Amino acid sequence: KAGVTQTPRYLIKTRGQQVTLSCSPISGHRSVSWYQQTPGQGLQFLFEYFSETQRNKGNFPGRFSGRQFSNSRSEMNVSTLELGDSALYLCASSLASASNSPLHFGNGTRLTVT
Amino acid sequence: GESVGLHLPTLSVQEGDNSIINCAYSNSASDYFIWYKQESGKGPQFIIDIRSNMDKRQGQRVTVLLNKTVKHLSLQIAATQPGDSAVYFCAENRDSGAGSYQLTFGKGTKLSVIP
Repeated sequence: KAGVTQTPRYLIKTRGQQVTLSCSPISGHRSVSWYQQTPGQGLQFLFEYFSETQRNKGNFPGRFSGRQFSNSRSEMNVSTLELGDSALYLCASSLASASNSPLHFGNGTRLTVT
Repeated sequence: GESVGLHLPTLSVQEGDNSIINCAYSNSASDYFIWYKQESGKGPQFIIDIRSNMDKRQGQRVTVLLNKTVKHLSLQIAATQPGDSAVYFCAENRDSGAGSYQLTFGKGTKLSVIP
């Protein structure tokens, strides 16, 4: 079974631009979560989608948004990029949005903002 | 505030020895805990999990211990190998309501295996 796939692997953008990241979950997984990873803050939760609905959101500004499609694939968008948005963005999927279902992560998209 | 943290940021272990990575959590409402391993250039990889109604769970060469009294979680790796070198994260899975959950990660411990 294929794992979580994230595209692209690397992105370089300039301040003020916007970016869209894509995630394909493991087949059959309906929940998709997004995390931001930086050396200083570690792994921070962005949001979770389940059946095309945002179920939970972390403490990030409104510039960070996402969506989920009917096939469970998900995208996240960051508008008006800032230097501090440089990070590894990780997508994870799970079978169900339950408290006993582990997340399975992709290898991330490395975003660099210059 | 509520957080999941680690006692040691780095750990060096001789190949063949056992490794113990510790984690403290502060939210007594957390009911599910997971350990992840992250190698350079890759996403976190699921190692083992444990529910709050258990105090020990074993996998292949790994054991997770949960002490709810002192809110402490540990990961034991038996016969540590060079391939175990990575950053290890503990995470607590907290029900945020309406059936959704949020996985909160610790800062991570870097394990280095000395050949």
